[in-house]
Amino acid sequence: TQLLEQSPQFLSIQEGENLTVYCNSSSVFSSLQWYRQEPGEGPVLLVTVVTGGEVKKLKRLTFQFGDARKDSSLHITAAQTGDTGLYLCAGGHSNYQLIWGAGTKLIIKP
Amino acid sequence: DAGITQSPRYKITETGRQVTLMCHQTWSHSYMFWYRQDLGHGLRLIYYSAAADITDKGEVPDGYVVSRSKTENFPLTLESATRSQTSVYFCASSSSYEQYFGPGTRLTVT
Repeated sequence: TQLLEQSPQFLSIQEGENLTVYCNSSSVFSSLQWYRQEPGEGPVLLVTVVTGGEVKKLKRLTFQFGDARKDSSLHITAAQTGDTGLYLCAGGHSNYQLIWGAGTKLIIKP
Repeated sequence: DAGITQSPRYKITETGRQVTLMCHQTWSHSYMFWYRQDLGHGLRLIYYSAAADITDKGEVPDGYVVSRSKTENFPLTLESATRSQTSVYFCASSSSYEQYFGPGTRLTVT
C-alpha cells in the first residue's frame, strides 16, 4: 500500500519566520502535487512536480521533488498570515487517483 | 462561470434517510472524484469515474452510490444515511493528476 507521510502535522510560527514541510514515502510517484486548503473551502492546487530533483518556486514558496521521486518538501520564506492553512501533498497513482498525505496545519501568527 | 460546483453546501438529515449530493463541472474533465474529509483521516476517496457511465470504488465506498450519465455531473447518494457518514464531502475533477475541487458539502446525520 502506498502511503505519504507529512510532517509536521501542526506548525505554529511567527510572521516573518521560515518553515519547511515534508512529504515522504517509500514508494515512487510519477508526479506529486501540493495543495492548500482554507477553512470551509476545498483544496486548491499550488504546484505539480514531475521530475526527480525538480525545484519550483511560487513567490515565497519553494517546492522540491526528491531525486528518487519518493519525497518532496515545501519551504516558505518569510511567512505571512495569509499563508495560514492546511497544506496537503498528494502523489499520482493509477487512473489519475491521488495518494494523499494527512496534511500539515500551518498557523502564522502576526 | 466555469468551474466545479457542489450543492447543497450544508445539509442536515436524519438517520435512515436517502440524501443526494450534487456535483457539476464545466471543464469537460474526464475524471471526477468524491472524497470525504474527517478530522484524523484526511481526504478519503469514496468513488471515482473515468468517463460517463464508468465508475469505480475508492477506499471507503460502503453506504454510497454514484452515477455518471453525463460528463459534467457526478451525484453521490447515501442510500440510508448513518451517523458515521457525518462529514464534509468534496467533489473534484481532473484531466490529469491535477485535481480541482468544489467548495464542499457539510453533511450532518442526526
